[in-house]
Amino acid sequence: NAGVTQTPKFRVLKTGQSMTLLCAQDMNHEYMYWYRQDPGMGLRLIHYSVGEGTTAKGEVPDGYNVSRLKKQNFLLGLESAAPSQTSVYFCASRRPLGGEQYFGPGTRLTVT
Amino acid sequence: AQKITQTQPGMFVQEKEAVTLDCTYDTSDQSYGLFWYKQPSSGEMIFLIYQGSYDEQNATEGRYSLNFQKARKSANLVISASQLGDSAMYFCAMGIGTNAGKSTFGDGTTLTVKP
Repeated sequence: NAGVTQTPKFRVLKTGQSMTLLCAQDMNHEYMYWYRQDPGMGLRLIHYSVGEGTTAKGEVPDGYNVSRLKKQNFLLGLESAAPSQTSVYFCASRRPLGGEQYFGPGTRLTVT
Repeated sequence: AQKITQTQPGMFVQEKEAVTLDCTYDTSDQSYGLFWYKQPSSGEMIFLIYQGSYDEQNATEGRYSLNFQKARKSANLVISASQLGDSAMYFCAMGIGTNAGKSTFGDGTTLTVKP
């Protein structure tokens, strides 16, 4: 099993450009999450999903959109990137009714 | 709203000694879970230990134990017999049972183990 994978691993964008980050999991987990981690900080929840076709806002959703068209995939989109979105982005998944989250390796995004 | 507070930005411990990393939480939910994760300098997130809000006993996983004091809303991580490889950032996190799926992380504590 690959667990949770993220594509791409690194990306540099210019201000105003758009991109999509892909998260895939092969553990048949219902719940999936997108976080951002700024230097020296904890993880802040951007959006999450409790099942295929559903999404919900976390604590820092502005400037991001998400989609969960397939159970195994969770996409994070930036429509118009800003330097404030420079961060490391982590995807995670877990089964319902408790249990730990399984994290992907992260995507390092720089917006210039 | 849920909140996790880790008041120790950095901690030092001598190799082979025990160390306690503090975590306090705030929630009005009755059903929740508390987690600790380790993030080494390589960046990956590693799950360490879990405590459910209704669990009577403190959780233990090898050298890790969670000192859960529900009335004080604290969930401190105890690492026994510290090793050099324990040097990392440690995050306390909370998952809310009734608010299906939502989770909150603290800002972390950087632990340095001295030889």
